[in-house]
Amino acid sequence: DGGITQSPKYLFRKEGQNVTLSCEQNLNHDAMYWYRQDPGQGLRLIYYSQIVNDFQKGDIAEGYSVSREKKESFPLTVTSAQKNPTAFYLCASSISRNEKLFFGSGTQLSVL
Amino acid sequence: GENVEQHPSTLSVQEGDSAVIKCTYSDSASNYFPWYKQELGKRPQLIIDIRSNVGEKKDQRIAVTLNKTAKHFSLHITETQPEDSAVYFCAASRSSSNYKLTFGKGTLLTVNP
Repeated sequence: DGGITQSPKYLFRKEGQNVTLSCEQNLNHDAMYWYRQDPGQGLRLIYYSQIVNDFQKGDIAEGYSVSREKKESFPLTVTSAQKNPTAFYLCASSISRNEKLFFGSGTQLSVL
Repeated sequence: GENVEQHPSTLSVQEGDSAVIKCTYSDSASNYFPWYKQELGKRPQLIIDIRSNVGEKKDQRIAVTLNKTAKHFSLHITETQPEDSAVYFCAASRSSSNYKLTFGKGTLLTVNP
């Protein structure tokens, strides 16, 4: 199950606070993704990055921001503008588009 | 954009029976259809995928069929075992320049011993 690592496993956010979720991969994959998983809602794409220094909004990007300064890293910031941040966040990577996604073990974010 | 509908949302079968999960998609340009399995508390993992140039693909007890005309695809699991119990997600995307994979809402499969 190695290759893509997310941290922390659990994270708590206070009102008005920004929090950052870490995602690191050592698979040498060009593409990286952030998905949000809510019960009964499947996986919804927040942001994706095809290559270093480039990223695109997914279907539910509002209230989130990302950066891709290194090939190995794709951190996600949940800003105070995201009014319903409680969810399970999954990071993934793939060698290219329309290829197998390798998922991290996820971060459960809750609001205090 | 693409919309993927998945049915049923829950499915309970007896060990040894077959299970079928169906998905429909809206974008006729979609041509890549993977299935992911997520066991309780674990990360999703790809179990099988199919591209639009074939109508069926098998891997041991698992098979996926694709009907491009009707825009639906199905996952078939034969001789189910308790370890098949998990949430299964279908997904669809097109091989244009974007990397967006649209997922269905998932099916909770329970295999009763």
